[in-house]
Amino acid sequence: AQKVTQAQTEISVVEKEDVTLDCVYETRDTTYYLFWYKQPPSGELVFLIRRNSFDEQNEISGRYSWNFQKSTSSFNFTITASQVVDSAVYFCALSEAQGGSYIPTFGRGTSLIVHP
Amino acid sequence: NAGVTQTPKFRILKIGQSMTLQCTQDMNHNYMYWYRQDPGMGLKLIYYSVGAGITDKGEVPNGYNVSRSTTEDFPLRLELAAPSQTSVYFCASSYSWSLSGANVLTFGAGSRLTVL
Repeated sequence: AQKVTQAQTEISVVEKEDVTLDCVYETRDTTYYLFWYKQPPSGELVFLIRRNSFDEQNEISGRYSWNFQKSTSSFNFTITASQVVDSAVYFCALSEAQGGSYIPTFGRGTSLIVHP
Repeated sequence: NAGVTQTPKFRILKIGQSMTLQCTQDMNHNYMYWYRQDPGMGLKLIYYSVGAGITDKGEVPNGYNVSRSTTEDFPLRLELAAPSQTSVYFCASSYSWSLSGANVLTFGAGSRLTVL
């Protein structure tokens, strides 16, 4: 079973639409970290956000917002008023303790295409 | 700072050949990782290292070897290349989980390998 599930393989929207990328994770640990990374067409992965398992506050950064809910094991990512530059593959990742080392496990990614 | 540098960016190998993907980081990160990315499959961990002289297998280690003789370098060796190793390889590094900002990965630009 996947530890990180990104059920949406590809999402296509028109510019200025809001879009939510889903991430569901599975862990038995009480301490863990969740991440979102962005991979633009250039190919290099860029860190967007990290949350720890003790901090369920939602976070907003400009047009980006994240909704972390432990009750549903979800860490969803919303882009408000999407722009063409948001077109990328977005990865959700989970870090659990593995012998004391928190090694990230990635989901399969969601490809977001924003049309002008 | 150069960050994480991977070489080469592109390589074509014949079946049975061997090669080494180089990875160097200049951020004094103690953790380093090798992932492979296949279309629609996300990032799969090949090997990781928590410090010089210490390496461990990830999810898909078969056909690969690594070494970590210095903090900066983490080369990935492919022995007897097979078509199944055609992929994009990403090297990454991070601080350990116990430090502030821990566990955020900085990625290299990737190395696209084709085995024919």
